[in-house]
Amino acid sequence: NAGVTQTPKFQVLKTGQSMTLQCAQDMNHNSMYWYRQDPGMGLRLIYYSASEGTTDKGEVPNGYNVSRLNKREFSLRLESAAPSQTSVYFCASSGGLAGPSSYEQYFGPGTRLTVT
Amino acid sequence: AQSVTQPDIHITVSEGASLELRCNYSYGATPYLFWYVQSPGQGLQLLLKYFSGDTLVQGIKGFEAEFKRSQSSFNLRKPSVHWSDAAEYFCAVGKNPYSGGGADGLTFGKGTHLIIQP
Repeated sequence: NAGVTQTPKFQVLKTGQSMTLQCAQDMNHNSMYWYRQDPGMGLRLIYYSASEGTTDKGEVPNGYNVSRLNKREFSLRLESAAPSQTSVYFCASSGGLAGPSSYEQYFGPGTRLTVT
Repeated sequence: AQSVTQPDIHITVSEGASLELRCNYSYGATPYLFWYVQSPGQGLQLLLKYFSGDTLVQGIKGFEAEFKRSQSSFNLRKPSVHWSDAAEYFCAVGKNPYSGGGADGLTFGKGTHLIIQP
């Protein structure tokens, strides 16, 4: 099992460019999440998908869109990148089994994005 | 709204000494609490969790944490640290599944950076 995978690992964009961050999980999890991590800020939730076919905004959704492509894949799109979106982006998933353990989140290795 | 406070931004501990990292939360009901560890350039790894039952929970790598409802705290402890424990530690809170919680994401503290002195 690869767990949660993210591509790319690193990306540099110019202001105004667009890109899509890809995330996939092979744990048959129902729920998937996108967080951003900034120095001194911890992780903040951007969007989540509680189940296939649904998506909801988190704490910091402005400037982002998401697509739950299927049960395995959850992508994050920046339509017009801004320097304020320079961050490390983490994808996570949860919900393979019944009960409280299904709420444990498993994280990918992250994508380091720089917007100049 | 739920929130998590980790009062210590940095902590320095000598190798072999004991460790306690503080975490305070704000939540309306019984929370679902987590501690994660992040090594440099890596993703987050779950150390331990609490959602009900015994308030002292054991995790991986010799870590434990104690849930104290009266103090709204969930402090992480280790009796003897190793140089490999140097990392960033995050406390997080989520909705408790026994209280009708759903899979709608976690709220993280800002993290505590642990430095180990030889």
